Amino acid sequence: AQTVTQSQPEMSVQEAETVTLSCTYDTSESDYYLFWYKQPPSRQMILVIRQEAYKQQNATENRFSVNFQKAAKSFSLKISDSQLGDAAMYFCACSYNNNDMRFGAGTRLTVKP
Amino acid sequence: DVKVTQSSRYLVKRTGEKVFLECVQDMDHENMFWYRQDPGLGLRLIYFSYDVKMKEKGDIPEGYSVSREKKERFSLILESASTNQTSMYLCASSLYATGREKLFFGSGTQLSVL
Repeated sequence: AQTVTQSQPEMSVQEAETVTLSCTYDTSESDYYLFWYKQPPSRQMILVIRQEAYKQQNATENRFSVNFQKAAKSFSLKISDSQLGDAAMYFCACSYNNNDMRFGAGTRLTVKP
Repeated sequence: DVKVTQSSRYLVKRTGEKVFLECVQDMDHENMFWYRQDPGLGLRLIYFSYDVKMKEKGDIPEGYSVSREKKERFSLILESASTNQTSMYLCASSLYATGREKLFFGSGTQLSVL
């Protein structure tokens, strides 16, 4: 099974600035998937970005991008031009099969106006 | 978009009560999941179901059971609620069981057991 570690319980960023959330993982699988999920105060988690481990190119979704370092088993999330609506809990996750998804402990992001 | 609905947003129960948490999804998804979310621990899988009447244990199934009589509905049952089951419970669904599938989540049920 996978293990996922998020070492930053809380992060803060000024509006319009850039912030990077860290995530490391461990898995014995060679083919796996990595995710960042966002949980706003409404509590409904939504997918932010997804990365296939076999792809070398880092995934991007508008202001969100990842830095995927496969050898280092690192998967950080960069949020550019931070907005007040980005304030949320962010969870990193790793899966091999859908029923084997593992989540990190989460990072609470505060965005200051 | 997929809608996953959890029947209660907040629930307060007494120790020893039998508790039912209900979850319904409206997109004909094969797979449904129950997670428990605790501060500092992230999400932990309790049970999942890949088909009607099929279920498999996750990482922390003790003290819980599940029921999936219809494809769209997945229920989590606390047979005899205890204070250490006070937590946020999240239901999720996905179309396929491959690792790349994203999960669609409900808004969670905050359960307090007194």
